[in-house]
Amino acid sequence: ILNVEQSPQSLHVQEGDSTNFTCSFPSSNFYALHWYRWETAKSPEALFVMTLNGDEKKKGRISATLNTKEGYSYLYIKGSQPEDSATYLCAFASNTGKLIFGQGTTLQVKP
Amino acid sequence: NAGVMQNPRHLVRRRGQEARLRCSPMKGHSHVYWYRQLPEEGLKFMVYLQKENIIDESGMPKERFSAEFPKEGPSILRIQQVVRGDSAAYFCASSPPRTQSWNSPLHFGNGTRLTVT
Repeated sequence: ILNVEQSPQSLHVQEGDSTNFTCSFPSSNFYALHWYRWETAKSPEALFVMTLNGDEKKKGRISATLNTKEGYSYLYIKGSQPEDSATYLCAFASNTGKLIFGQGTTLQVKP
Repeated sequence: NAGVMQNPRHLVRRRGQEARLRCSPMKGHSHVYWYRQLPEEGLKFMVYLQKENIIDESGMPKERFSAEFPKEGPSILRIQQVVRGDSAAYFCASSPPRTQSWNSPLHFGNGTRLTVT
């Protein structure tokens, strides 16, 4: 059974704080690691897709790193803003092509 | 360029009835995924299809649930004889063939919220 774990489950920060979350995934049969942002009442939207060990991706104040050998990825948000409030999902892509999602980390940024 | 279209947005069924959920993928996408979100839970994989072929259905309940993606028309997730425990949000996502582009993210529809009364 493929297990993708995210921590913490939820996070409350003040506007301007920087924060990070963790995604743990199986280190075997790895093909890709995805990060999605899911706002309430909307559908998940892709942030990053990473495939190589040591990959680092950045989009504005959000960045992500990948360690496929030990099976983890970090998502960082620098200087959090209220509009960053959302659930952040990671998903592990196995060799069959299916994507298994973690439970998500729900971020609440207080003004 | 329309995104992933799911309909209906909301569906109410009585116990024992059938539910049919439809998903039209993005233009140019040939692969469809179905996920279920139960209350207070994350996205659970159900099935992964390409046209006229089920690639992976390891997340589908063994009974009452089926999925298809015909050569023409949308992908259909069908739930027969619904029970209250089937109440959930069902999300569809599409992608180009995975073997062609592992870098491609999934594009999600807005989901169908099924309520069984």
